[in-house]
Amino acid sequence: SQQGEEDPQALSIQEGENATMNCSYKTSINNLQWYRQNSGRGLVHLILIRSNEREKHSGRLRVTLDTSKKSSSLLITASRAADTASYFCATDRRALTFGSGTRLQVQP
Amino acid sequence: DTEVTQTPKHLVMGMTNKKSLKCEQHMGHRAMYWYKQKAKKPPELMFVYSYEKLSINESVPSRFSPECPNSSLLNLHLHALQPEDSALYLCASSQSDRVKLGYGYTFGSGTRLTVV
Repeated sequence: SQQGEEDPQALSIQEGENATMNCSYKTSINNLQWYRQNSGRGLVHLILIRSNEREKHSGRLRVTLDTSKKSSSLLITASRAADTASYFCATDRRALTFGSGTRLQVQP
Repeated sequence: DTEVTQTPKHLVMGMTNKKSLKCEQHMGHRAMYWYKQKAKKPPELMFVYSYEKLSINESVPSRFSPECPNSSLLNLHLHALQPEDSALYLCASSQSDRVKLGYGYTFGSGTRLTVV
């Protein structure tokens, strides 16, 4: 069963704009991970944030975590057409449990 | 080698067929996973193997039968499937099944299964 809900479900932006995706989850966590999936392919690990961290950066990615609100956000800055993909948050339930995902379309 | 390799990439099978999906990794990961993903949905956990032993079965129907012959290989045997079982089947591995330690998963590209 899904642990988290993501919004928006779909997001369309122009190249160069920033993209923000939000994830809400239900139970307490030790860490939260974000993954990317190109259409019909496997998932790629992007970044992990631990429950004692509030913010983490990796290249053009910025992840925040608010454990009091049980929510996380993923910001992609200066987006590129190649960023077009689905993005999933995943929480550490029995095994990685994925949120509903955000489909990002970056228009060139 | 930092990949998880899944074969075949595509599979079409009849409801009376028996087929197997294969997954291989050579990263020394001790945990391996099967996920099922329907179109426009997130991956859903099916099975977890830790040190070649089944540790989690998410109430998956018996027509799906996992097998872990050794630490590098994971199979999913399919028998008497239904059309609603058509999906992308993803294999993944990680250093440990102790998910709260925060190890990332490495996913294969999946097998696109169609049951006719």
